Amino acid sequence: GAGVSQSPRYKVAKRGQDVALRCDPISGHVSLFWYQQALGQGPEFLTYFQNEAQLDKSGLPSDRFFAERPEGSVSTLKIQRTQQEDSAVYLCASGGGRTQETQYFGPGTRLLVL
Amino acid sequence: AQSVTQPDIHITVSEGASLELRCNYSYGATPYLFWYVQSPGQGLQLLLKYFSGDTLVQGIKGFEAEFKRSQSSFNLRKPSVHWSDAAEYFCAVGAGASKIIFGSGTRLSIRP
Repeated sequence: GAGVSQSPRYKVAKRGQDVALRCDPISGHVSLFWYQQALGQGPEFLTYFQNEAQLDKSGLPSDRFFAERPEGSVSTLKIQRTQQEDSAVYLCASGGGRTQETQYFGPGTRLLVL
Repeated sequence: AQSVTQPDIHITVSEGASLELRCNYSYGATPYLFWYVQSPGQGLQLLLKYFSGDTLVQGIKGFEAEFKRSQSSFNLRKPSVHWSDAAEYFCAVGAGASKIIFGSGTRLSIRP
């Protein structure tokens, strides 16, 4: 079956521009995660949804970052007034909903802020 | 706080040679431990995971890892590497019900 998909795969933004990154999880997956991966680093947790409820947003670096999953399926990560330090790969993962179940990752969106 | 340390940034091994990638974690309770692999342009793929039970865990692609509580380690091993194993490898620890904390990764290169 289809895996996790993300769009766009690449995004170039001018500093100060707003961006929206989309994640389509595996059909039926309850859990959805967003991670940020800076160059040469491991992924860092941003936020977690169970269905439409955002249960953990402790990793969002500032109030410019906002995530939503209004119908418990597709999720959007929005970054307002982008800064150069936001340049990174943004990874989405989905899972079955049990504690520490396997997370299936998408290919990521590479964001470059100029 | 939970953390993961991968002390080797980059390792090069010859094709057919054995491999061991080191991972140390910090966690107060019995940890959930993972190894993921990331190839260029690809998403992260789970190689194996440890939740409980047998401390030697078998994974995909011929990889295995051993959980050693006394050393707070979860090293990844493969008896004979293939050129296709060249990638970035991440060790990770589960923190709470859902969050995963990743190490900074070890890049594996294969010498022909």
